[in-house]
Amino acid sequence: DGGITQSPKYLFRKEGQNVTLSCEQNLNHDAMYWYRQDPGQGLRLIYYSQIVNDFQKGDIAEGYSVSREKKESFPLTVTSAQKNPTAFYLCASSHAGTVLTQYFGPGTRLLVL
Amino acid sequence: RKEVEQDPGPFNVPEGATVAFNCTYSNSASQSFFWYRQDCRKEPKLLMSVYSSGNEDGRFTAQLNRASQYISLLIRDSKLSDSATYLCVGHRYSGAGSYQLTFGKGTKLSVIP
Repeated sequence: DGGITQSPKYLFRKEGQNVTLSCEQNLNHDAMYWYRQDPGQGLRLIYYSQIVNDFQKGDIAEGYSVSREKKESFPLTVTSAQKNPTAFYLCASSHAGTVLTQYFGPGTRLLVL
Repeated sequence: RKEVEQDPGPFNVPEGATVAFNCTYSNSASQSFFWYRQDCRKEPKLLMSVYSSGNEDGRFTAQLNRASQYISLLIRDSKLSDSATYLCVGHRYSGAGSYQLTFGKGTKLSVIP
């Protein structure tokens, strides 16, 4: 079955620790995105990539980093510089040129210990 | 002013009722709009696109009013399974020929037996 997978479902981070969230898609989509959702809030764009080996900052990129070495994969690292990382992280993908029709993975909940 | 604004609700309606949500947007240049559905602690899923001429999908009807800059979603004959948060989504130009989605905070619907 084609789709987007994210792992882990829940992730716990200690103070000062970097953690990496996985996102994989087998939809043959060129574009991939990372969003953050806080309770009662809309989704906010962290980073996006429209093609392999290229990515752009979104609205709230500070404290995060990404890589896009393969078309299928777009991992997000939450660094220790992100002071309020507790949130629901959602990865999405779309075909190039149809960036407006995005499909989401099941999300990862990050909690700080 | 937020780019996309919604009444957060909650809307509590009895089964079988008709319910309507409105959403306003600030960017008059926006061309495309969508309604996404998000169940509790799950990822958003595309419900329907919104066209100027209005579009209908079963019990769901979406309308776009460009003059007043609002989008509506009408749900007829509400089912218990319609209980969810409905996200109004527009788009904005993010530079370098790229467009990104802009999410409202969502309207929560609870359908009561």
